[in-house]
Amino acid sequence: DSGVTQTPKHLITATGQRVTLRCSPRSGDLSVYWYQQSLDQGLQFLIQYYNGEERAKGNILERFSAQQFPDLHSELNLSSLELGDSALYFCASSADREGRYGYTFGSGTRLTVV
Amino acid sequence: GENVEQHPSTLSVQEGDSAVIKCTYSDSASNYFPWYKQELGKGPQLIIDIRSNVGEKKDQRIAVTLNKTAKHFSLHITETQPEDSAVYFCAARPNFGNEKLTFGTGTRLTIIP
Repeated sequence: DSGVTQTPKHLITATGQRVTLRCSPRSGDLSVYWYQQSLDQGLQFLIQYYNGEERAKGNILERFSAQQFPDLHSELNLSSLELGDSALYFCASSADREGRYGYTFGSGTRLTVV
Repeated sequence: GENVEQHPSTLSVQEGDSAVIKCTYSDSASNYFPWYKQELGKGPQLIIDIRSNVGEKKDQRIAVTLNKTAKHFSLHITETQPEDSAVYFCAARPNFGNEKLTFGTGTRLTIIP
């Protein structure tokens, strides 16, 4: 157990729907990162939050949004889902803002859009 | 931004032999290079990292080498064991600003008993 908790583990939904993925960072970590891993693809950075504030944005679609709450858990909202959004979504956390000592990843949420 | 290329995409080695995975990066400002291991059904786990002020780092059977001039770094696993079978990702990032870890596309390592 890495200490980063992601729920749900699996999610199957239809095109056009909206889903919310949840992440609780490792205790004491203030940064949360969201990554998307598609089949045969590497990990694509989506967005980072640090202590409740958005810090960096990667290749995140406008249909996707995220936030970090006062208790530091984070949610990734995916709307108007398309078949191509099917992927593994990972959350990672780090103690510092820059992630200078690496990230700790959760086990991911596997999203299947049908 | 940073671009990381990783080779090979798949690698099979006999148990006990060595495995080498290579990565190249594009941004000369990158100075932090971690390696992650992803087992089936799990998230990536940091196994070793290196910063640009050193050329090599070793931890038991795994080692990482860095050549900043050529902008490439490699993961070496010696005396491979079945539990080394996994997908391995390299990553790179500058140690400043808002740049995030950029990952390679992964290497699926299979250890043949």
